Parts: sequence; structure tokens; C-alpha cells
Amino acid sequence: AQKVTQAQTEISVVEKEDVTLDCVYETRDTTYYLFWYKQPPSGELVFLIRRNSFDEQNEISGRYSWNFQKSTSSFNFTITASQVVDSAVYFCALIFLSNDYKLSFGAGTTVTVRA
Amino acid sequence: GAGVSQSPSNKVTEKGKDVELRCDPISGHTALYWYRQRLGQGLEFLIYFQGNSAPDKSGLPSDRFSAERTGESVSTLTIQRTQQEDSAVYLCASSLVSGGAYNEQFFGPGTRLTVL
Repeated sequence: AQKVTQAQTEISVVEKEDVTLDCVYETRDTTYYLFWYKQPPSGELVFLIRRNSFDEQNEISGRYSWNFQKSTSSFNFTITASQVVDSAVYFCALIFLSNDYKLSFGAGTTVTVRA
Repeated sequence: GAGVSQSPSNKVTEKGKDVELRCDPISGHTALYWYRQRLGQGLEFLIYFQGNSAPDKSGLPSDRFSAERTGESVSTLTIQRTQQEDSAVYLCASSLVSGGAYNEQFFGPGTRLTVL
């Protein structure tokens, strides 16, 4: 079975704190692609980052960074020095090679950043 | 130039009525996707079009749901005899081609459907 799990339902932080969002997945595919999307209150999903399963190099892009650990099937996402505008629902998603057009989403984590 | 657009943005209907939801993908995008998002949940895949054909309709919840795409452009998702459990936000996405790795799916703002 292929499944994406975001165990954290809601996270609330004070501005400038770091926020780490957890994502674990299950698949038998050896090739897959990992995404994080942001859904602000306006409702439109915004693409944030993408990795493929062959590349475990973790990177930083501005205030965003991610930690992909293939051995534990985890793809965690961190927002550094959070801002109020980061308040949104964040979704982890995967595309598996066996269904390479279909994004499989986790349930989402609601992040609230308080001033 | 514009992103994916969807209409209407909100639709309230009575149980048993039919509804049509429209998606205008980004110009030139050959692949188009419909997803459903129930309140507080992630997105569920419904159907995907490559050009005007739909190779995968496996996500459609029942035979009350159908979708079509014409001219490799606009797509319409039709729900017949709506039920209260159909209440959700219906999101459309498009990508330049199908094959998800580096063909990012761009999402529209969604249509919020409420069935009374």
C-alpha cells in the first residue's frame, strides 16, 4: 500500500520560532518524488519544494529546509524564523513511479504563527 | 499568462440536483487533474486527463461523477444527483505534460461545493 502520513494535525508557534513538519510515507516503489505544498487561507495550493528518491541531499532554500531520510521513509520540512504569513496548512505529497501523474497527499498540518 | 482558474468559486445546491464545475488550465498544459478536498483533510485524486482522454478515472467516487475535457483545454466535472457527502472543495490542477516528477502541477483556487 502507498500512504502518506502527517501525524501533526496542528502546530502553533510564536513568530521567529522554527517549525518542523513531519511526513512519513509507505511505498514499495524505489522511484518516487516528494513535494511540500502550502495552502494559505485563500485556498490555492502553492508548490514549495520537490525532491526525488535518489537524491537524499538536504538543502536550504531561503527560510525553508528539508530533511529526506530514505532509510526511515521520512521527508520533514522546516520553516526557520517563522512569520505570521507562514500561517497555512502544509501538505506533504508524493508521486510514485507506478502512478506517475497522481499526487498522493497527507492530511495536512495546520501551522499558526502568532505575532 | 494566467494561472489555473475555476468557476464557480462557490456553489450551494440542494440534494438531488446536478452541478457542473469548470476548470480552465494554464494555456499549453496538456495534463489536467481533478482532486477533492473534504473539510480538514488532504486532497483525494479523482481523475486525470492527458489531452482530451482520461487514462485514469479510478478516483471518481461513484458513477454520479463524470468529467470531460474538450480542445485540450477546458474541463468540466459533473456531479449528478448530489448528496451531502459530496460537499467539499474541488480543486483542479494542470501541468505541461503528465508524469509527475518534474512536471509540477499548478493548482487553481478550487470550487467550494455545499450540498444542503
